Amino acid sequence: QSALTQPASVSGSPGQSITISCTGTSSDVGGYNYVSWYQQHPGKAPKLMIYDVSNRPSGVSNRFSGSKSGNTASLTISGLQAEDEADYYCSSYTSSLVFGGGTKLTVL
Amino acid sequence: QLQLQESGPGLVKPSETLSLTCTVSGGSISSSSYYWGWIRQPPGKGLEWIGSIYYSGSTYYNPSLKSRVTISVDTSKNQFSLKLSSVTAADTAVYYCARLDLVATIDYWGQGTLVTVSS
Repeated sequence: QSALTQPASVSGSPGQSITISCTGTSSDVGGYNYVSWYQQHPGKAPKLMIYDVSNRPSGVSNRFSGSKSGNTASLTISGLQAEDEADYYCSSYTSSLVFGGGTKLTVL
Repeated sequence: QLQLQESGPGLVKPSETLSLTCTVSGGSISSSSYYWGWIRQPPGKGLEWIGSIYYSGSTYYNPSLKSRVTISVDTSKNQFSLKLSSVTAADTAVYYCARLDLVATIDYWGQGTLVTVSS
């Protein structure tokens, strides 16, 4: 199984919106509606932000949203805040589990 | 509140076997709704799924590591364990234990433990 493809980095100014893509294949992202997104701050364990493509766990800000089209899933963060600066990872169910390579979000 | 805690040696010699245990508290490892898994992260790099186990003992491994990995569960102790054999410096990483739902969403993570492979 190959890792899902994410951009290495994205950036945005406070208040703006950004989107992080996650591209896989019909065997993972395209084949199941089971894409998750995780936020990881330095030295911390990842935190679940989106599951099943577009669902937010309790307690996660509604500024975070997810979607999917074909083999590509996307995470959108609106109203960027300084605290959103972190690494973001997508994952997909494939009858096992595969992660994306991660995207570093910089809030300018 | 569910908590997971990794334990084990922080330093392993090359060619030896890395062994870690995850202790689950605040919930039962015997739940039929979840898998229990190991994920690792080399310094400065991304996440890699190692494998998962169901309370019944059924296991699923990353094909790239399958020949070296064994995951087991001890329901009486509410623990599950990882063994990775024939380690090299490339296995140096923070190792996380985690709870996964039936479609591999990870909703709880341990704090992670750094394992360094060095002589």
